[in-house]
Amino acid sequence: GAVVSQHPSWVICKSGTSVKIECRSLDFQATTMFWYRQFPKQSLMLMATSNEGSKATYEQGVEKDKFLINHASLTLSTLTVTSAHPEDSSFYICSARSTGVDNSPLHFGNGTRLTVT
Amino acid sequence: RKEVEQDPGPFNVPEGATVAFNCTYSNSASQSFFWYRQDCRKEPKLLMSVYSSGNEDGRFTAQLNRASQYISLLIRDSKLSDSATYLCVSSGTYKYIFGTGTRLKVLA
Repeated sequence: GAVVSQHPSWVICKSGTSVKIECRSLDFQATTMFWYRQFPKQSLMLMATSNEGSKATYEQGVEKDKFLINHASLTLSTLTVTSAHPEDSSFYICSARSTGVDNSPLHFGNGTRLTVT
Repeated sequence: RKEVEQDPGPFNVPEGATVAFNCTYSNSASQSFFWYRQDCRKEPKLLMSVYSSGNEDGRFTAQLNRASQYISLLIRDSKLSDSATYLCVSSGTYKYIFGTGTRLKVLA
């Protein structure tokens, strides 16, 4: 089945530093990838839609200058949390679906648990 | 009104019980539907797609009612390992909308 790999799984960083999270589709190409955030005991919240070769589309209330998304190839999207603060501590999850297969299910990476101290 | 709504639960059921969850969606243009399960502090995992004619996968049965705009998930013979949060998802063109999830606890 489709596999999405996300790295790192855990990261602890100091306030003010930047953190880069990678999301790779291992056995399929993904023109579009999605980035979600989930706070404890809350639902998944879509942050942005990452499009290969073009700018990401951000959801309302998500700062594009703080959460930088790069989708440079059909198998890799990265999310960089810039100048992280404790309130950015959360579970970040990427997902992808196969290119050219309309409405196929999303496959999720294993998530990145970010703690900003 | 949320685009996809679910009863948050928790549903506490004994082992072996049958339990059903419903999920309503507001966008009549939604094209595909899915059920995911999410364990605590883990990523969501696809449980099953939902087809118009209804579909079954072992103990799990999914149904879609387009007229009333809801989907359902039925779990028969509940196991302790079924304890999780179940997320329903509707998708249209390039957009996937998640419900907030329904928590299920299967009790020994």
